[in-house]
Amino acid sequence: IAGITQAPTSQILAAGRRMTLRCTQDMRHNAMYWYRQDLGLGLRLIHYSNTAGTTGKGEVPDGYSVSRANTDDFPLTLASAVPSQTSVYFCASSDSSRDRFSGYTFGSGTRLTVV
Amino acid sequence: AQSVTQPDIHITVSEGASLELRCNYSYGATPYLFWYVQSPGQGLQLLLKYFSGDTLVQGIKGFEAEFKRSQSSFNLRKPSVHWSDAAEYFCAVGYNYGQNFVFGPGTRLSVLP
Repeated sequence: IAGITQAPTSQILAAGRRMTLRCTQDMRHNAMYWYRQDLGLGLRLIHYSNTAGTTGKGEVPDGYSVSRANTDDFPLTLASAVPSQTSVYFCASSDSSRDRFSGYTFGSGTRLTVV
Repeated sequence: AQSVTQPDIHITVSEGASLELRCNYSYGATPYLFWYVQSPGQGLQLLLKYFSGDTLVQGIKGFEAEFKRSQSSFNLRKPSVHWSDAAEYFCAVGYNYGQNFVFGPGTRLSVLP
């Protein structure tokens, strides 16, 4: 089934540890995104990538880094986790070319707790 | 800056009642408009979208939405709500073929038996 796979589903992480959230899509979408969802704050964009080899900062990029080595994968890394990064993280993708854009497809999310 | 508002944080309706969830956006031109639904513990699922043409669009699960340019609104409706519709609903607007995408804060729908 075409879509986005995120791993892990959930994780409890000690503060100060490094963590990579994985995201893989099989739809050959050029653009990929990472959001965090927090109660009362909605969905906030962390980083995005419009095409393989390029990345950009979203609304809340501090403490996070991403890479886009190929079309399918877009990992999100927390270099040194802090409790304020406790959240649910969603990866999304889209085909942002003019004639094929039809919205974002979302993964099922990763629930991260930093203690 | 572009923005999306959903005035209702939480709505409760009885099963079988009609539903309307409000969405307003702020932008100089007509954006692409979307409604997503998120069930507890799940990701976001696309309900429907508007790009151009007929301003009344039909989506999955019996939902529809109407684009009103004069009001900068894209309200979601359902004539008869089912208990399984209880979820969080997000309105979103997209610009520049998805390279800018703004979500509303969400409306939580509760359904009474």
